[in-house]
Amino acid sequence: ETGVTQSPTHLIKTRGQQVTLRCSSQSGHNTVSWYQQALGQGPQFIFQYYREEENGRGNFPPRFSGLQFPNYSSELNVNALELDDSALYLCASSQTGDYGYTFGSGTRLTVV
Amino acid sequence: NEVEQSPQNLTAQEGEFITINCSYSVGISALHWLQQHPGGGIVSLFMLSSGKKKHGRLIATINIQEKHSSLHITASHPRDSAVYICAVRSSETSGSRLTFGEGTQLTVNP
Repeated sequence: ETGVTQSPTHLIKTRGQQVTLRCSSQSGHNTVSWYQQALGQGPQFIFQYYREEENGRGNFPPRFSGLQFPNYSSELNVNALELDDSALYLCASSQTGDYGYTFGSGTRLTVV
Repeated sequence: NEVEQSPQNLTAQEGEFITINCSYSVGISALHWLQQHPGGGIVSLFMLSSGKKKHGRLIATINIQEKHSSLHITASHPRDSAVYICAVRSSETSGSRLTFGEGTQLTVNP
């Protein structure tokens, strides 16, 4: 049984640039959620994807967007990066009807 | 905040009994206790919807009526040092989003 893999693990970008983060879901899971965790805080829900469609969104602007692919892996895209976007980005996969989650190790994004 | 944890920081001596508390303000379908190490990865410890669960030296309890949960660590060890996070899956919103507490930084000294 594979876990959730996120790539890259670390990334440094310049303000105004765009970034794409990737997440593979655990085998058998069809839902992927993305979270942003600022230093010293709990993760905040960005959005969730189910069957390749966004299925719930937190309080994040439209420059945060995503995709889910037929194999249930997912991407998080952030345009026009701001300094406050510096954070750990976590993804979690789950299966509809099951309340368990598997988390990835996160991508640490630094915007300079 | 929908999920509140206490304390924010906790320092203990090896062998001590530790309790971390979590209160929430929404109806839930499940509550999770998670462990996060300095590298950032999150490990699921428990998922609760009622009662009590035990795994090794860890015990988690939940009181649905009082909207409160506790995580206990018996005979604490330095390797237990980590951030412990409470998260709830609300029954009042669609989808499977989790709402997280701010976490409790636990340091166990030898």
